[in-house]
Amino acid sequence: KNEVEQSPQNLTAQEGEFITINCSYSVGISALHWLQQHPGGGIVSLFMLSSGKKKHGRLIATINIQEKHSSLHITASHPRDSAVYICAVRRDTGNQFYFGTGTSLTVIP
Amino acid sequence: KAGVTQTPRYLIKTRGQQVTLSCSPISGHRSVSWYQQTPGQGLQFLFEYFSETQRNKGNFPGRFSGRQFSNSRSEMNVSTLELGDSALYLCASSQQGYGTDTQYFGPGTRLTVL
Repeated sequence: KNEVEQSPQNLTAQEGEFITINCSYSVGISALHWLQQHPGGGIVSLFMLSSGKKKHGRLIATINIQEKHSSLHITASHPRDSAVYICAVRRDTGNQFYFGTGTSLTVIP
Repeated sequence: KAGVTQTPRYLIKTRGQQVTLSCSPISGHRSVSWYQQTPGQGLQFLFEYFSETQRNKGNFPGRFSGRQFSNSRSEMNVSTLELGDSALYLCASSQQGYGTDTQYFGPGTRLTVL
């Protein structure tokens, strides 16, 4: 049983499209993280959320604690957004960290 | 500020050997976490250290261990290597840890076990 589920697993978009990646989790959490991983392995933390919504440039992340769901939106997608996006949650009891399997995004020019 | 550094970047070992990986966090960060990434299992949490104390541990066998020094640098050790230990090992640092502040990831050490 996966504590964190992401959808879709793979996503191909045309440049300029609006993109949504979803994350659902089944445990109580203290925080949810969205990570970006480019080919070659480097991981960058995009957002850390415990409630509400955050925006950084063309990226928006939202979380609904009651529904145990978060979304990552990319507006006006660009080929440089091509990467794997990973949702991770920190459990509120025991402090375990659980990861989704990632969404592989390809943005075509 | 310099980012998180990990050494070595690549490592090849044979089954039964042991290996030590090193992670230097961003200056001022007291929390260091370690993760294993494999194609089959994805990212998995290994352990977290804060001020030289292991604060949290994932579901890995005792062959995986770590420590943190007074300057916050951390090492992880894997003894009696198995083929399945081949993976990208990532460390991440943050100021407070517990996953409640932003983590900064190093480039990773790619371990191959033959």
